[in-house]
Amino acid sequence: GAVVSQHPSRVICKSGTSVKIECRSLDFQATTMFWYRQFPKKSLMLMATSNEGSKATYEQGVEKDKFLINHASLTLSTLTVTSAHPEDSSFYICSARSGTSGNQETQYFGPGTRLLVL
Amino acid sequence: AQSVTQPDIHITVSEGASLELRCNYSYGATPYLFWYVQSPGQGLQLLLKYFSGDTLVQGIKGFEAEFKRSQSSFNLRKPSVHWSDAAEYFCAVGTSGNTPLVFGKGTRLSVIA
Repeated sequence: GAVVSQHPSRVICKSGTSVKIECRSLDFQATTMFWYRQFPKKSLMLMATSNEGSKATYEQGVEKDKFLINHASLTLSTLTVTSAHPEDSSFYICSARSGTSGNQETQYFGPGTRLLVL
Repeated sequence: AQSVTQPDIHITVSEGASLELRCNYSYGATPYLFWYVQSPGQGLQLLLKYFSGDTLVQGIKGFEAEFKRSQSSFNLRKPSVHWSDAAEYFCAVGTSGNTPLVFGKGTRLSVIA
């Protein structure tokens, strides 16, 4: 149980284009999802917290107009990197928190999406 | 504010040897504590978690961790390391509600023959 998927797993795009990354909780309803960015050999950097049906809460220094987050349902959140530039190349990981009693504090992670902007 | 410290950036152990990865946290109340493992190019997999109760927690893949309130620690242990355990290990602390986990910087484990 508690499986989170991400799609695509890897994407290469040209500078200036937009890329959408999907995060799905496959076997549970995720009231809250989180988006992280990870640089090589570094820890996770929280970008934003996404609650179903409401606007995402962005961490300081993260451009909300550049990293658009939508949490339209209890099983799907999307991150759109708009007008991507080479410096946006990174590993993006989502996680989902179950709303079930006794387990709501556990975050389950997706496999990540490797973005390369040329 | 919560914080997590993993003092060891990189540890190398021989296959079959025991392992202990250190984690110290800072939080005013009893936290929820987690250990995750990340293989190269992969997401994070939950190894084990502590919410309350028995301070020695068993996880997957033969790992265990012990919560020591007096030392604000939650060290991860494994009695005999396998080559497949080579990965990055992250300790994290959380609270109730919608606040995200706070992660340590990670410890990279290398396993040699």
